[in-house]
Amino acid sequence: AQSVTQLGSHVSVSEGALVLLRCNYSSSVPPYLFWYVQYPNQGLQLLLKYTSAATLVKGINGFEAEFKKSETSFHLTKPSAHMSDAAEYFCAVSAGAGNNRKLIWGLGTSLAVNP
Amino acid sequence: DSGVTQTPKHLITATGQRVTLRCSPRSGDLSVYWYQQSLDQGLQFLIQYYNGEERAKGNILERFSAQQFPDLHSELNLSSLELGDSALYFCASSNGYLSTNEKLFFGSGTQLSVL
Repeated sequence: AQSVTQLGSHVSVSEGALVLLRCNYSSSVPPYLFWYVQYPNQGLQLLLKYTSAATLVKGINGFEAEFKKSETSFHLTKPSAHMSDAAEYFCAVSAGAGNNRKLIWGLGTSLAVNP
Repeated sequence: DSGVTQTPKHLITATGQRVTLRCSPRSGDLSVYWYQQSLDQGLQFLIQYYNGEERAKGNILERFSAQQFPDLHSELNLSSLELGDSALYFCASSNGYLSTNEKLFFGSGTQLSVL
């Protein structure tokens, strides 16, 4: 069965430090992969998505993610954290075949940025 | 602003009651998705409608039902409410039929509290 695992439900970094949020997936078919962000009291919004065009995907707000098939990973990174990056981050994989394709969501990682 | 409108923003009710959550998708989007978000379960997909027809079903309880109307707005009906139904309910929309590599646009959610 397809699944998404986000390692670490809470991550804390200092302002200006590297952000690394981990996501591993399992899928029996080539996956589409997504990172969404949820700011406090808001709905989720798309950060970036991987659709097999390029393994390194650049998203909004300086975030990027690299698809590594051998490691079944799609980790999210940002070189320098900003206070405004504090939010909940969700990794998702589009799984299944044909009309049975669905989005499978990770449990989320809460990112805290310390001054 | 995602363009997806959810009402009401907050709902407080008692066990055993019935409530209706409403969602207006982004202009031009034909698909509507309903999600439940809670601390212990994370983001759970409930159901998807496409152009008035049910397209996919997730972990939706029998006490819950939904529909999409000709003007494409959708309603999620929750009945015989239990304490455990307290959660944030999100609606999302997309243009197409499958949520494979499409971008989902999320509303700000309805916070349901069952007392």
